[in-house]
Amino acid sequence: QLVLTQSPSASASLGASVKLTCTLSSRHSTYAIAWHRQRPEKGPRYLMKLNNDGSHIRGDGIPDRFSGSSSGAARYLTISSLQSEDEADYYCQTWVTGSRVFGGGTKLTVL
Amino acid sequence: EVQLVESGGGLVQPGGSLRLSCAASGFTFSNYEMNWVRQAPGKGLEWVSFISSGDRTTYYADSVKGRFTISRDNAKNSLYLQMSSLRAEDTAVYYCARAAGDSTYGWGYFDYWGQGSLVTVSS
Repeated sequence: QLVLTQSPSASASLGASVKLTCTLSSRHSTYAIAWHRQRPEKGPRYLMKLNNDGSHIRGDGIPDRFSGSSSGAARYLTISSLQSEDEADYYCQTWVTGSRVFGGGTKLTVL
Repeated sequence: EVQLVESGGGLVQPGGSLRLSCAASGFTFSNYEMNWVRQAPGKGLEWVSFISSGDRTTYYADSVKGRFTISRDNAKNSLYLQMSSLRAEDTAVYYCARAAGDSTYGWGYFDYWGQGSLVTVSS
């Protein structure tokens, strides 16, 4: 079964960097994923598509302080120079024919 | 500018029906596959349904299969979700989302989202 696992919460200080993790089920360790951000009381917004080799394609208007990387079954989202507006829920998402799957989300708190 | 605007949400009794609409603009709607995604109060995102650009292929999450029907009208740049036999657990904000991807790996992720429409199933 295709499963994405995320830590429920993370925190980092204003101006610092944070690395969020999304882990694919082992049978699906080569899959690409997408990262989405959801600010409080808002709809989600696409951040980037992240491939198995770490290459990524950011969405329109997403600054380069958002970057992605991969290692084995793990997919990472790194946010540098944290700003208060980065406080949000971050979801990873992947797909197979006939289904799309989300991770449980990580709530990022900016201290 | 790509815009997706959902409408049609509201309060409905258990067992009832409701039809959501999503009006698309800022892109050639007929060229894109589309999805519905929902979010129950205080919960994470859950994919609901997919429809191909030509309306020939549809997919559904197991939780809604047989009760929900996705459709589109390319002439009206609109996406729809017909929901029937509604249950309390269908209470959620429903988002339409444009599919992104490529011919090699499929159009499996979402690059634009609407602002959502709230559906409440309660007596």
